[in-house]
Amino acid sequence: DTAVSQTPKYLVTQMGNDKSIKCEQNLGHDTMYWYKQDSKKFLKIMFSYNNKELIINETVPNRFSPKSPDKAHLNLHINSLELGDSAVYFCASSQARGGELFFGEGSRLTVL
Amino acid sequence: DAKTTQPPSMDCAEGRAANLPCNHSTISGNEYVYWYRQIHSQGPQYIIHGLKNNETNEMASLIITEDRKSSTLILPHATLRDTAVYYCIVSRSKAAGNKLTFGGGTRVLVKP
Repeated sequence: DTAVSQTPKYLVTQMGNDKSIKCEQNLGHDTMYWYKQDSKKFLKIMFSYNNKELIINETVPNRFSPKSPDKAHLNLHINSLELGDSAVYFCASSQARGGELFFGEGSRLTVL
Repeated sequence: DAKTTQPPSMDCAEGRAANLPCNHSTISGNEYVYWYRQIHSQGPQYIIHGLKNNETNEMASLIITEDRKSSTLILPHATLRDTAVYYCIVSRSKAAGNKLTFGGGTRVLVKP
């Protein structure tokens, strides 16, 4: 069983569209994260949720809205997609706020 | 969080030990040293972390200098599957939230 799973793995869309990436973890962790890896391969944290409560929000445009329906899921919705949003988005989870992170396989978003 | 400096790349012979250095001269007392790696097209994978003492697990050993300004990750017997980008990260106390900031990392190529 995949511990942290993301869907879709690949997403190609036009500028201006709205899209969502879903993430689920079956590890029983309390904390989930979204990271963005750009073309230069730098990984940057975007959001972190602990038990459905937002605890980290790193100056991400309002077009990005995370939603955590329960502690096993953290979805990322992006409105009005821009070219610069093209990246690989990684979901992760951890046992506690400071525990080791378990990452998903990533979702590659390409905005045309 | 303290910044880290790693060599951009290094080669290693299969079966030999790989020693990956990391400088973190501005590390503060409550910051941990974490190591993750990212194999091509996969999500980052946790390797090991430590505060002051040297640490060892089934994957690697972490040697932290007494002044904590640098550390070395040791892969005791490198295999071809260890080819990856290795990230050294310094992050605040575990209780403060796991806001890991990934830098450029070291691209390790294990050669037969």
